[in-house]
Amino acid sequence: QQQVKQSPQSLIVQKGGIPIINCAYENTAFDYFPWYQQFPGKGPALLIAIRPDVSEKKEGRFTISFNKSAKQFSLHIMDSQPGDSATYFCAASISGANNLFFGTGTRLTVIP
Amino acid sequence: KAGVTQTPRYLIKTRGQQVTLSCSPISGHRSVSWYQQTPGQGLQFLFEYFSETQRNKGNFPGRFSGRQFSNSRSEMNVSTLELGDSALYLCASSLLLAGGTTDTQYFGPGTRLTVL
Repeated sequence: QQQVKQSPQSLIVQKGGIPIINCAYENTAFDYFPWYQQFPGKGPALLIAIRPDVSEKKEGRFTISFNKSAKQFSLHIMDSQPGDSATYFCAASISGANNLFFGTGTRLTVIP
Repeated sequence: KAGVTQTPRYLIKTRGQQVTLSCSPISGHRSVSWYQQTPGQGLQFLFEYFSETQRNKGNFPGRFSGRQFSNSRSEMNVSTLELGDSALYLCASSLLLAGGTTDTQYFGPGTRLTVL
């Protein structure tokens, strides 16, 4: 049973475009929602994270939008660059439990 | 500050064997979690250790076990290996904040296990 559903599976955008990756969850006890970026041969690295008390968070070119009532959250990458080409994972967990439930990942390709 | 290190990086075993993987967390981090990453199942939580005690456990068979030492280094063991155990095994470390709130999990590069 996938606790966090992620879409799309893959995404191709032109340089400068704004890719959007969406995630949905069912467990209303989740209160920590991080996004990870993974390059081939590397472990996932935290990009940005949000808690449900805010609806949006920006860090550099990365923005998380969070809709608590719909149990959905999304990642927007502004002014995407070829170096952003990687696999992106959304995740969710309950505070106090270091047990991240990951989405299935989105492979992003940014074309120069 | 050095990141999370995992050894070995690559491992080839045959069915029925057992394997031990090692993880050294970031200095000062006392929580260590293990995840399995496969193309079919994605990233799945195995277990978490804090202060040498298992705090959480995922939905994996008893063949998967772990432990943590007093210096926070952790090992995971898989006994009676099956073909389906071929995966990237990732270790992540984090601080546990006051009140038990989780902090960012920092992942190591993983150990690529191939079972033949």
